[in-house]
Amino acid sequence: DTGVSQNPRHKITKRGQNVTFRCDPISEHNRLYWYRQTLGQGPEFLTYFQNEAQLEKSRLLSDRFSAERPKGSFSTLEIQRTEQGDSAMYLCASSTRGHPNEKLFFGSGTQLSVL
Amino acid sequence: AQRVTQPEKLLSVFKGAPVELKCNYSYSGSPELFWYVQYSRQRLQLLLRHISRESIKGFTADLNKGETSFHLKKPFAQEEDSAMYYCALSHNQGGKLIFGQGTELSVKP
Repeated sequence: DTGVSQNPRHKITKRGQNVTFRCDPISEHNRLYWYRQTLGQGPEFLTYFQNEAQLEKSRLLSDRFSAERPKGSFSTLEIQRTEQGDSAMYLCASSTRGHPNEKLFFGSGTQLSVL
Repeated sequence: AQRVTQPEKLLSVFKGAPVELKCNYSYSGSPELFWYVQYSRQRLQLLLRHISRESIKGFTADLNKGETSFHLKKPFAQEEDSAMYYCALSHNQGGKLIFGQGTELSVKP
């Protein structure tokens, strides 16, 4: 599968623990996005990278959240001191800039459950 | 504030019937509008975008700036159209999208 890959698919953790998710974008894509989706809602933008530079962060992204894309390839999203409200599907998407209306390719997501 | 509203959480139609999924947006500039679809156990994927003026899988959507709407239409629904549909808005032609809450389309045989 040459699409966007996310690991793990599911993560169950206890409140207060730290978790880290990984996203591997399509290899030639230089833009990478993180979205969060809660039950019954559409995805909400969290942050995005162009190559290794983090260009924008949503106000939704509290200081407990940090994202990196160290070599402009894969990205990690870490949540520190998880809270029950962090339970959601975390989606990663990638794209190639240079086209009008860039097209996002989404991964299958990581489902986080905070107990 | 920029916002996308999909008033129907669930839309149920019979096979062969016309279908219209409603989407209204709130935006002060010139938005770019999209429809994304998620079939059961599959990834979210782009269905169509208004700038392309294309028809995908028989679906079309027209941007109506006067009514600030971007409704998705298909004249004859098929069972395989059953899925979750999300309307989305981009204000800078980038990948930072504002999604609606989604409408689940159920096409009954």
